Amino acid sequence: DAGVTQSPTHLIKTRGQQVTLRCSPISGHKSVSWYQQVLGQGPQFIFQYYEKEERGRGNFPDRFSARQFPNYSSELNVNALLLGDSALYLCASSLVSDSNQPQHFGDGTRLSIL
Amino acid sequence: AQSVTQLDSHVSVSEGTPVLLRCNYSSSYSPSLFWYVQHPNKGLQLLLKYTSAATLVKGINGFEAEFKKSETSFHLTKPSAHMSDAAEYFCVVRATGRRALTFGSGTRLQVQP
Repeated sequence: DAGVTQSPTHLIKTRGQQVTLRCSPISGHKSVSWYQQVLGQGPQFIFQYYEKEERGRGNFPDRFSARQFPNYSSELNVNALLLGDSALYLCASSLVSDSNQPQHFGDGTRLSIL
Repeated sequence: AQSVTQLDSHVSVSEGTPVLLRCNYSSSYSPSLFWYVQHPNKGLQLLLKYTSAATLVKGINGFEAEFKKSETSFHLTKPSAHMSDAAEYFCVVRATGRRALTFGSGTRLQVQP
């Protein structure tokens, strides 16, 4: 079975632009979470979606938004990009949003802001 | 509030010797605890999880971790290191009812031949 897939793998943008990152969860998984991993640090929680509804939000500005589609895939949008948005963006999926369920991560999208 | 402290940013061992990666956690409620591994330019792979069952948890690739509530610790061990174990390791906590995983800052494991 395919794992969590993310696209694109790499992306280069300039300050002020907008970007959309995509994630397909493991088949049967209904919960998708997004994390930002700045170089040299652990991932930071951005959003969780379950059954197309936002179920959790981390401490990120309103420039960050996301949505989940009926097939449980998800998009993360970032507007008005800043240099500090350069990071690895990770998507994780799990069967449900229960805390005992492990999250399975994709390989991420490396976003570079020039 | 919940937090994770990984006590060593870098650990270097020789191939064939034991590995110990230390983690302390803080959580207001009974936590779920995880260890993930990240190889260069890759995503995170789940090594093992603790969810209030047995306190000694066995994971993949020979790793195991012991939950010690009195010490609020969840250290990761492996009896014999392999070159392929060289990677970044993250200790992770999630409190019951919370949506987000909280990651430690990571421990980089180097394995010398």
